[in-house]
Amino acid sequence: GIQVEQSPPDLILQEGANSTLRCNFSDSVNNLQWFHQNPWGQLINLFYIPSGTKQNGRLSATTVATERYSLLYISSSQTTDSGVYFCAVVTGAQKLVFGQGTRLTINP
Amino acid sequence: GAGVSQSPRYKVAKRGQDVALRCDPISGHVSLFWYQQALGQGPEFLTYFQNEAQLDKSGLPSDRFFAERPEGSVSTLKIQRTQQEDSAVYLCASSPRTGAYNEQFFGPGTRLTVL
Repeated sequence: GIQVEQSPPDLILQEGANSTLRCNFSDSVNNLQWFHQNPWGQLINLFYIPSGTKQNGRLSATTVATERYSLLYISSSQTTDSGVYFCAVVTGAQKLVFGQGTRLTINP
Repeated sequence: GAGVSQSPRYKVAKRGQDVALRCDPISGHVSLFWYQQALGQGPEFLTYFQNEAQLDKSGLPSDRFFAERPEGSVSTLKIQRTQQEDSAVYLCASSPRTGAYNEQFFGPGTRLTVL
């Protein structure tokens, strides 16, 4: 099956810093989503982005489907951005296949 | 509007007990998914429903796991004779239509601890 790799696994930053999270996938995808899992375990939808670029406030994402990767950018980090960020893809079947996540810690 | 809801939020079971976990999807959503998330890992697919039909159950880890969605809305995931390795967070997601090109929305999860 498809492999989804996220990097880095852990990232520690000071408030106000910018960050880039990467998601590589091993095969063509029909769908790609980025999620933020907050400390209470809730998966929050950030982007539905099978291709192209989207922006939402301080967050933006780019997926280059032909090269099989996606990037999530977080600018001017805040402590509330802390948590685990997951990339997940859909291939032929409709199920999401998740990466292992990037744990982001923003220190005040 | 209301999002996906799950109950109970926390469940503690003794090994060997049966448990039932409930998912209320977003109203009108056709597709419903169950995922299992072990500690420190990403969620993993268990099963998928399109309306009341269970179209994919390839991720169910054993025949002790059973899911249903009899009227095409609420779904129940049942685990019989629970084992310690069943301890995990069980996540439910729904999507408005069928097909791979649809965004999935997740509930808060049920954290199951088997003692």
